[in-house]
Amino acid sequence: DQQVKQNSPSLSVQEGRISILNCDYTNSMFDYFLWYKKYPAEGPTFLISISSIKDKNEDGRFTVFLNKSAKHLSLHIVPSQPGDSAVYFCAASATNTGNQFYFGTGTSLTVIP
Amino acid sequence: DVKVTQSSRYLVKRTGEKVFLECVQDMDHENMFWYRQDPGLGLRLIYFSYDVKMKEKGDIPEGYSVSREKKERFSLILESASTNQTSMYLCASSSGDVSQPQHFGDGTRLSIL
Repeated sequence: DQQVKQNSPSLSVQEGRISILNCDYTNSMFDYFLWYKKYPAEGPTFLISISSIKDKNEDGRFTVFLNKSAKHLSLHIVPSQPGDSAVYFCAASATNTGNQFYFGTGTSLTVIP
Repeated sequence: DVKVTQSSRYLVKRTGEKVFLECVQDMDHENMFWYRQDPGLGLRLIYFSYDVKMKEKGDIPEGYSVSREKKERFSLILESASTNQTSMYLCASSSGDVSQPQHFGDGTRLSIL
């Protein structure tokens, strides 16, 4: 059973606008969350993370929001740039499971110039 | 910068063959992982290792085994390859606890004919 879900397989956004990627999880024990970005023919690269003690983490154009009661997190990219076009994966982990992360199915973002 | 190197970018093998996928990391990381990525399924964990000669099953270990004889090298073995093991295989490494992100290799596209 998929514990981390990304219900939107794809998203298209105009350059300069905001991109919002969503992720839902089912396991209430998850306490650490990451977003990865993946270009074709490359491995995923780490983008931004958030721990469950926070509800927001910001790094430049990227902000991750965590709503623990809804078991939902989102990644905001402002402003979106064509180079942001990639597949984005969210991942979640519970401290008591060591370093095992559970990944979502990915959302393919296309930023239109 | 962390470098995770997978020995082959593309590999074609026949049903029933024993297949070895090799992964090497250069940052003295304790943890190493093998995932497969399939359309609509995201990244699924096959096996991981916290230390030399140690291994733990992930979510989909059936048909696979692993070997970690040296800290920097983690091998994935398909004992008798089958067509349903055609996939993109990704190796990753990380240090310390769950707050440290995983660093990925560029993947091996494996086709079983």
